Amino acid sequence: EAGVAQSPRYKIIEKRQSVAFWCNPISGHATLYWYQQILGQGPKLLIQFQNNGVVDDSQLPKDRFSAERLKGVDSTLKIQPAKLEDSAVYLCASNPTSSGELFFGEGSRLTVL
Amino acid sequence: DQQVKQNSPSLSVQEGRISILNCDYTNSMFDYFLWYKKYPAEGPTFLISISSIKDKNEDGRFTVFLNKSAKHLSLHIVPSQPGDSAVYFCAASRPSGYALNFGKGTSLLVTP
Repeated sequence: EAGVAQSPRYKIIEKRQSVAFWCNPISGHATLYWYQQILGQGPKLLIQFQNNGVVDDSQLPKDRFSAERLKGVDSTLKIQPAKLEDSAVYLCASNPTSSGELFFGEGSRLTVL
Repeated sequence: DQQVKQNSPSLSVQEGRISILNCDYTNSMFDYFLWYKKYPAEGPTFLISISSIKDKNEDGRFTVFLNKSAKHLSLHIVPSQPGDSAVYFCAASRPSGYALNFGKGTSLLVTP
């Protein structure tokens, strides 16, 4: 079974530029999550999707971050404009239902200069 | 507001000995607890979990203990192996589909 796929693995941008990350969850997984992990911290939830609907985006900085999950399969997370403090690993995860174990991708490491 | 706390940033243990990683939580609504292991440049991988109706769950060398009254859980690794060297995250969730809340992690180093 293929795991959660994320791209790009690494991205370096200047502040105020924009960036987009893509995630393809495990086939059949209804729930998809984006987490932000800053160095030395644990993963922090940005947004949770159930199929193509948003369940929780309370911690998403909506002035600069956006995410969508069209057709309830893959998802894109966008940051525009990026700030220095957005430097982090962006982890995508999925699970078949909305509870229990999450399956994580390898993450997309963003460096904002 | 950190609802899941791992107060030890790092731990060093000799190969063959027991590793004990601790985790505290503040939200009494949490009913499911998990441990994840993370190697550098990889995503976290699930290790073991425990429901709030249990106080112990064992899987091979890994055992998780839950003390609900103290809002504390611990992960025991016996015997520790050098391949266990990684960052371990404690996570917890509430019922009804809430996402996982993670601690800051504990970096475990198992020395030969």
